[in-house]
Amino acid sequence: DTAVSQTPKYLVTQMGNDKSIKCEQNLGHDTMYWYKQDSKKFLKIMFSYNNKELIINETVPNRFSPKSPDKAHLNLHINSLELGDSAVYFCASSQRTSGGARNEQFFGPGTRLTVL
Amino acid sequence: QQQVKQSPQSLIVQKGGIPIINCAYENTAFDYFPWYQQFPGKGPALLIAIRPDVSEKKEGRFTISFNKSAKQFSLHIMDSQPGDSATYFCAASISGNTGKLIFGQGTTLQVKP
Repeated sequence: DTAVSQTPKYLVTQMGNDKSIKCEQNLGHDTMYWYKQDSKKFLKIMFSYNNKELIINETVPNRFSPKSPDKAHLNLHINSLELGDSAVYFCASSQRTSGGARNEQFFGPGTRLTVL
Repeated sequence: QQQVKQSPQSLIVQKGGIPIINCAYENTAFDYFPWYQQFPGKGPALLIAIRPDVSEKKEGRFTISFNKSAKQFSLHIMDSQPGDSATYFCAASISGNTGKLIFGQGTTLQVKP
């Protein structure tokens, strides 16, 4: 019954490696997001897709590449991992209303990435 | 102009107390102001939200007060309980846009029994 799920929950890897985080939502929403939460718990938007189209692309290193194979899935691939990439990454989803709002966002449980 | 400033950073109250968390914003185009609650090891969950056409919204023990002219809004938790201990985030966004949420810095609340 999980609405927004992420895998893996924990990811420990060496600097320089490439890794992916997967997200799936079963809410039927048309918009999905990636947020990064740093060690001070600050939450910042990274990317957003609406029906597989990229609509938000914040100032994020191009080592980070989102991919949305369909509107229920949004994956995050990270190349050449750096120490500073260590954080908790949250996926979220929302549904655009007939009025155009995409307000209520549902978050996944997070993926804690540790780069050694 | 895209910032949302939240205070205090941390808060400790006794059970039954009324913790108040404050947020301020600059961008007058923001028209949706949610509060999220996050427990350790979990994702943020929407608690309550308000639009600028009302000055107050109450859901159970949680109340948002909104001051449009001052560009401030606050969360009050009535009769706080130890189970309310969590991190609270205010946020703001522009409806009809991408849904991008700008979050405050977060407030860690501890409610002592």
